[in-house]
Amino acid sequence: DIQMTQSPSSLSASVGDRVTITCQASQDLSYGLNWYQQKPGKAPKLLIYDASNLETGVPSRFSGSSSGTDFTFTISSLQPEDIATYYCQQYDNFRYTFGQGTKLEIE
Amino acid sequence: EVQLVESGGGLVQPGGSLRLSCAASGISTNSNYMNWVRQAPGKGLEWVSVIYSGGGTYYADSVKGRFTISRDDSKNTLYLQMKSLRPDDTAVYYCAGSYSYAGFDFWGQGTLVTVSS
Repeated sequence: DIQMTQSPSSLSASVGDRVTITCQASQDLSYGLNWYQQKPGKAPKLLIYDASNLETGVPSRFSGSSSGTDFTFTISSLQPEDIATYYCQQYDNFRYTFGQGTKLEIE
Repeated sequence: EVQLVESGGGLVQPGGSLRLSCAASGISTNSNYMNWVRQAPGKGLEWVSVIYSGGGTYYADSVKGRFTISRDDSKNTLYLQMKSLRPDDTAVYYCAGSYSYAGFDFWGQGTLVTVSS
């Protein structure tokens, strides 16, 4: 099974900062990676699909990129409403795996 | 607008059974990919099961042989039958739908299952 290693597990940043979260896959992915945002007490929300495609309606300050088995999620200018936990997710061979999550807080 | 509404959660004793339901609107359960994803208290997300538009079903190793995913096309409703429940099955269970096999486009609000004596 493909393992996903997401880092960091938590992150504190200031409003306006550029924030980066990474996920590393244990092997090449047959399909790209998805990124989700989960606010406290709420269901997750899809932000980025297939590594770099922005879901409709998601602000352009969110972006994703990839290089081999390394995937990066970026918030270009952190806003107070971005406080949440972020998860990466991959699909392979009829199985789905999430990263461990990154809890983002405002300094 | 897609809406997924889960129900059926509650408190159950270890070894017991429970059936979760997910009523869908704005998306057809029989022509898309419908999943269950769970989240233990204070923990991350764990995929549980998927049913494909063609009817194929797949499960996480942690629930294989104990959980069964199904759907009722006439009611546009997804189900998760859970048997031989264990304390580590305690979680919020989310119904999640997608137009693609690779991810989760839409989510319900979740239903809490607590397995405890």
